[in-house]
Amino acid sequence: DTGVSQDPRHKITKRGQNVTFRCDPISEHNRLYWYRQTLGQGPEFLTYFQNEAQLEKSRLLSDRFSAERPKGSFSTLEIQRTEQGDSAMYLCASSPESGLAGWLSYNEQFFGPGTRLTVL
Amino acid sequence: AQSVTQPDIHITVSEGASLELRCNYSYGATPYLFWYVQSPGQGLQLLLKYFSGDTLVQGIKGFEAEFKRSQSSFNLRKPSVHWSDAAEYFCAVGITMEYGNKLVFGAGTILRVKS
Repeated sequence: DTGVSQDPRHKITKRGQNVTFRCDPISEHNRLYWYRQTLGQGPEFLTYFQNEAQLEKSRLLSDRFSAERPKGSFSTLEIQRTEQGDSAMYLCASSPESGLAGWLSYNEQFFGPGTRLTVL
Repeated sequence: AQSVTQPDIHITVSEGASLELRCNYSYGATPYLFWYVQSPGQGLQLLLKYFSGDTLVQGIKGFEAEFKRSQSSFNLRKPSVHWSDAAEYFCAVGITMEYGNKLVFGAGTILRVKS
């Protein structure tokens, strides 16, 4: 396993179109995160999965955004009716869970290369 | 609210010179602290992390960082910069949420290396 992969790497779309991004985490990592990075800023947290359960969502995640992780492996992030303000780099990360401490444990997050979205 | 401040947007150093990138955080609990590096077109790569214990942590590529609780700082250092170190550097604090955790990042510092 070579790390977290994301597809596509680049996406150009017109305003109002729907887009979907895919993230494949490191195998056996049961935690998966989505972040958004706009120009000149650090990444901002969007949502978090533990296995297939979406446990945390940021207020940044408007109703137009939906994320899934149906079998606890890969995840998809869909943006409906895209707006120019959605233009950003969308980053996915995964991390293992410490069995002893459960969800309270903290482990390093491994990031994918990102999907750069441009909305015209 | 939790936040991370990186006061320097850009830093330029000469190759071979020493480097210090500043990071201050605001978080009420014991912080988990990270430095990541991002090269153009690449994802974030972890340089080092502080969870507990020794406040001086060593990372990859010759980087180190020192946690100073009294100053709420976690500055990144390197004694001799190489041209390949030119990239954007992000400091982050790990935040525990109700059902998991997340990273809160600073805005980043762009490092330029001149020969």
